[in-house]
Parts: sequence; C-alpha cells; structure tokens
Amino acid sequence: GENVEQHPSTLSVQEGDSAVIKCTYSDSASNYFPWYKQELGKGPQLIIDIRSNVGEKKDQRIAVTLNKTAKHFSLHITETQPEDSAVYFCAASPTGTASKLTFGTGTRLQVTL
Amino acid sequence: DTEVTQTPKHLVMGMTNKKSLKCEQHMGHRAMYWYKQKAKKPPELMFVYSYEKLSINESVPSRFSPECPNSSLLNLHLHALQPEDSALYLCASSPTAGVKNIQYFGAGTRLSVL
Repeated sequence: GENVEQHPSTLSVQEGDSAVIKCTYSDSASNYFPWYKQELGKGPQLIIDIRSNVGEKKDQRIAVTLNKTAKHFSLHITETQPEDSAVYFCAASPTGTASKLTFGTGTRLQVTL
Repeated sequence: DTEVTQTPKHLVMGMTNKKSLKCEQHMGHRAMYWYKQKAKKPPELMFVYSYEKLSINESVPSRFSPECPNSSLLNLHLHALQPEDSALYLCASSPTAGVKNIQYFGAGTRLSVL
C-alpha cells in the first residue's frame, strides 16, 4: 500500500518568516495530494490540494509543489502568522474505488511573535 | 455550508458498555468515512460508506460496528471496547467516494474507555 513520509515533525518559525513542509510518497499511482491543517480540538481542514497533472498551485500565502518523478510534494507558507500555528498533515490518494487517503505523520508548526 | 457535525463531543465508557457515535452532514454528499486518531498521530481510515453501502472496512475489530441509515447520517456503534480504543474518532464526507474528492471532516468525538 501507499506510504507517506513527512518532515519535519516540528517546525518553529518567527512571525513573517516562511515555513516549508515536505512529504514523499511510495505509490506511483497516487494522483491526488491534499494538505490538511488541524487545530487543537478540531478536525482536519483542507487548506490546499494538488492533482498529478499540475506541478504547482498557489492560494494567497499558501503554495504546494509536486514532483511526480521524485515522488515528493511540499507545502510552502509565506508571511507566517500566529494563527498558522497548528498540525499540518499531507496525504496521498492512490487510484482505486474510494477516496482512500493515506496521511503523513504530521508537522507541528509553531509561529512565534 | 461544508459542515460535518459529530455528537457527542466527548464520551467516557466502561469496557462493558454499549454506546454510539453519530455523524451528520447536509451537503448532499454520498460518501462518508470513519477515522480513528490517536494522540500525535495521523488519522487512520476505519470504514468507507458509498451510497449508504459499506465499501471499505480496514480490518476493524467487530466491537466497532458502523451503520449508515440514510445518505446524511453515519453511526458508529461501540461494544466491549478496550482501553487502547481510547482516541479521537473523526467522521468525514465527500461528494462521492471517487479518487480526488475532497473530504470534509467533523470536529470528532473524543472517546475514553475505562
């Protein structure tokens, strides 16, 4: 089955700096890569996703890049703010009969003032 | 409205109790999911329902019994649980169960088994 590795496990940045989280996946058949943000006491919320026919996608301060040859994808957050502090999960979805997401191990991002 | 509502928010139960978790969505989604999340771990898929039919069971022990009475409602019936089953149980829904469908998560039910 699919295996998703995520690094780093914790990341501390100062407000205004950029943050980068990286994921690698194992199944070359995976073609959908969402990123979820989970705040304390809440369920994961989708913040951005990318599909295999696109190399990069941007939404305001958040961007995701995908390298299918190397089987890795990254989340970039620019101009970080305290409210960006949360746990971020990458995920990959291989082809199949259902949306079977395999999540990475998570990155705890802390944005300090 | 992209809301998935889970009740209760917290649940404490003994190992001999029977309880149920409830999940509701009114987005017209036809796929619903149960995940289990242990502390500081990612969500792990348990069950997938597609058009009210169970399509995936990730080898979950029979003490967890899912039910989808209609397209808006998903239940998880719990019986004879073990302390190691204590976790956050998340429900999600998506328009269909096809690949590339965005999954929307509820806030979860935090379960403690004593």
